[in-house]
Amino acid sequence: GENVEQHPSTLSVQEGDSAVIKCTYSDSASNYFPWYKQELGKRPQLIIDIRSNVGEKKDQRIAVTLNKTAKHFSLHITETQPEDSAVYFCAANEKLTFGTGTRLTIIP
Amino acid sequence: DGGITQSPKYLFRKEGQNVTLSCEQNLNHDAMYWYRQDPGQGLRLIYYSQIVNDFQKGDIAEGYSVSREKKESFPLTVTSAQKNPTAFYLCASSMNKGRETQYFGPGTRLLVL
Repeated sequence: GENVEQHPSTLSVQEGDSAVIKCTYSDSASNYFPWYKQELGKRPQLIIDIRSNVGEKKDQRIAVTLNKTAKHFSLHITETQPEDSAVYFCAANEKLTFGTGTRLTIIP
Repeated sequence: DGGITQSPKYLFRKEGQNVTLSCEQNLNHDAMYWYRQDPGQGLRLIYYSQIVNDFQKGDIAEGYSVSREKKESFPLTVTSAQKNPTAFYLCASSMNKGRETQYFGPGTRLLVL
């Protein structure tokens, strides 16, 4: 089955700086890669996803890149704001195998 | 994701007791899922269902059971065979089981007395 590794487990950045979270996956057949944001005590919410036929996707301050050859994908958040503080999960495959999460803290 | 609900918000289980977590959606989604979330371990798939009266085991199905008698409902029973049930349980749904976005419910936190 699919195995997804996510790094780092915790990340602190100054407000206004960029944050990057990386994930690797094992199943070369995986073709769907969403990112979810989960605030404390709340449900995960989809923030961006990418499918295997594209290499990059942007939505305002958030972007995701995919390298299918290397089997890794990354979340990029630019101009970080305090409300970006949360746990972020990557996932791969149609059945959604999740990474272990990254706790992002934005320092004002 | 406002169209998917879970109840109760908190649930307490006594030793040897079976408990059932409710999940309902009014999004007309075909597929529904149950995940367990433990600290530092992300979300792990317990069961999923692509269609009424059919469901499949996920990665950690032991000690759990589900039913899918209606499209809108996918209840999860945590049986007494599940020895470590304390966790945050999340239900999700998607249009179908494919490359579709999953929408999550608000979750149920299960605690053992």
